[in-house]
This record gives sequence, C-alpha cells and structure tokens, in this order.
Amino acid sequence: DAGVTQSPTHLIKTRGQQVTLRCSPISGHKSVSWYQQVLGQGPQFIFQYYEKEERGRGNFPDRFSARQFPNYSSELNVNALLLGDSALYLCASSFREQGYNEQFFGPGTRLTVL
Amino acid sequence: AQSVTQLGSHVSVSEGALVLLRCNYSSSVPPYLFWYVQYPNQGLQLLLKYTSAATLVKGINGFEAEFKKSETSFHLTKPSAHMSDAAEYFCAVTRGPANSGYSTLTFGKGTMLLVSP
Repeated sequence: DAGVTQSPTHLIKTRGQQVTLRCSPISGHKSVSWYQQVLGQGPQFIFQYYEKEERGRGNFPDRFSARQFPNYSSELNVNALLLGDSALYLCASSFREQGYNEQFFGPGTRLTVL
Repeated sequence: AQSVTQLGSHVSVSEGALVLLRCNYSSSVPPYLFWYVQYPNQGLQLLLKYTSAATLVKGINGFEAEFKKSETSFHLTKPSAHMSDAAEYFCAVTRGPANSGYSTLTFGKGTMLLVSP
C-alpha cells in the first residue's frame, strides 16, 4: 500500500513569491497535518485538517494557509515567502484526529527560499 | 501546554553498546508519548508509542522505552547498537485520554545518534 506522498520533493523560490505544497494521505485516512522542520530542530505543527475542516492551527502567521479536498488530499500555501521559511515541510496522515491515532509521515518537501 | 526536552543533541556509541536516548516531557493532562526516527533526507518513522497501556513499550528494530510518570520521562533504549541505527531520533508528546480534540504532536529538538565501528 502506498504511504503518504508529497510533491514536489524539492523547491527553490525567491523572497516574496508564493508556494503550494501538496500531500496525499494513506488511503482511508481522513486527517492530515502539516509540520515545518527547520534544519537542526524538531518538526513544528502548522495545521491539522479532518474531514475537510481545520481542526487546529499552530503559531504561524497568516501567510500560511491550507485546505483539504473531498478525497482527503491537502495543500499548504505560503505567501510572501521569507528566507526563514526555508525548511522541510512534512505532511502526516492519520485515520482520525485523536491523539492515540498514529500519524504517518511523508518524505517531505524541501523548500529553499533565496 | 505540552513540551518535550531531549537531553543531548548528539549521542555517540560504539557498535554493540547500549543505546540510551533521554526524553522528559511536560504535560498538564495524561500524555501519549512517541519516539520517531528520521534518516537523512527522509520523513519520520514511528519507533514506538505509549498510549496509557503497559508502561514498558517495545518498538521496531529492538528499541524499547519506559514511561515513568514520577520522573516525567520516556527514555529510549536498545541493548546493542547497530551501524544502521545511526539517525536522528525525536521524542514527541500529544494529549492522551483526556483529549477530546485534535492530535497535534509536540516534538523535542532531536538527538543525533552516531554509531562507530
């Protein structure tokens, strides 16, 4: 069975541009979460979506937005990119949204902002 | 609020030696605790999880961890290190049985395990 997939794998943008990252969850999983992992740090929570509704949001500016589609795939959008947005962006899926549900992570999208 | 502290950004062991990676948590409600491993240029893979059942949890690749409420710790151990264990390890916490909402994970900063021949 396919795991969580993310696209693209790598991306290079310049300051001020906008970027869209995509995630496909494991089949049957209805919850998708996004995390930002800056080099040398642990992942930080950005968003969680369940059944197409936003269920949680981390401490990130409004430049970050996301959505979940009827097939449970998800997009993360970042506007007005800053150098500090350079990071590995991880998507994780789980069957439900509660804490005991294991979150399965994708390989990530490496975003570099120049 | 929840937080995780991983002591030691780098841990070096010899092949065959005991692996001990430390994790202490802070949580206002009973937690669920997780250990993830990340190999270079890859996502996170779950090693094991504690979800309020047995306090000694066994995971994949010979790893295990013990939940100690009195010490607010969830240290990861493996009796004998293998070269393939070299990776970065993350401890994470989320709200446990009292959680009525979403399951955001709060991660520690990670510990890089280095294994020498």
